Amino acid sequence: DIQVTQSPSSLSASAGDRVTITCRASQNINRYLHWYQLKPGKAPRLLIYAVSSLQSGVPSRFNGSGSGTDFTLTISSLQPEDFGSYYCQQSYSIPSFGQGTNLEIK
Amino acid sequence: QVQLQESGPGLMKPSQTLSLTCTVSGGSIRSSSSYWSWIRLAAGKRLEWIGRVFASGSATYNPSFKSRVSISTDTSKNHFSLKLSSVTAADTAIYYCARHVADDAFDIWGQGTVVTVSS
Repeated sequence: DIQVTQSPSSLSASAGDRVTITCRASQNINRYLHWYQLKPGKAPRLLIYAVSSLQSGVPSRFNGSGSGTDFTLTISSLQPEDFGSYYCQQSYSIPSFGQGTNLEIK
Repeated sequence: QVQLQESGPGLMKPSQTLSLTCTVSGGSIRSSSSYWSWIRLAAGKRLEWIGRVFASGSATYNPSFKSRVSISTDTSKNHFSLKLSSVTAADTAIYYCARHVADDAFDIWGQGTVVTVSS
């Protein structure tokens, strides 16, 4: 199975900050890496698919990058509505997710 | 626009079989390119993919669930279902249904349903 390691596990930042979350896969997963936002009581939201493609309706402040085994989600200018949990996921083999990052807005 | 809605019992006892349904609206479960998955999130754990089913009924499961899991479709009702047998407290989680295309991302999710296993 492919292991996915995500960091940090929690993050506190202020509106306007630039935030970066990283994800590392245990083997090369090409471009089969995606990012999600979870909020309590709401349907999880796909933000970025295939490493760097922005899902329709997602603000352009969300950006994905990386290749092979190392990937990054960047929020260029944090907004108050960006609080929540963020997860990366690989779909190269049996789908698996990172541990999640809880993002708190100061 | 396709929407998903989970339904099922909120509270279960150990050893029972969990049965959840995901109703698809705004589109057909028969979509030739769509797969339909179940994913769960337990407190303090990461999201965990349980398995998926294609419209034809062909299913693939996470080996972690071994023979406890079964996912099926009912095209007449436009929904798909999860059965998880011999539940324990470790199966307490929010259960989500989601759609994806082949090896692509899960692009549509339900809001999730909370399942608690307790004696």
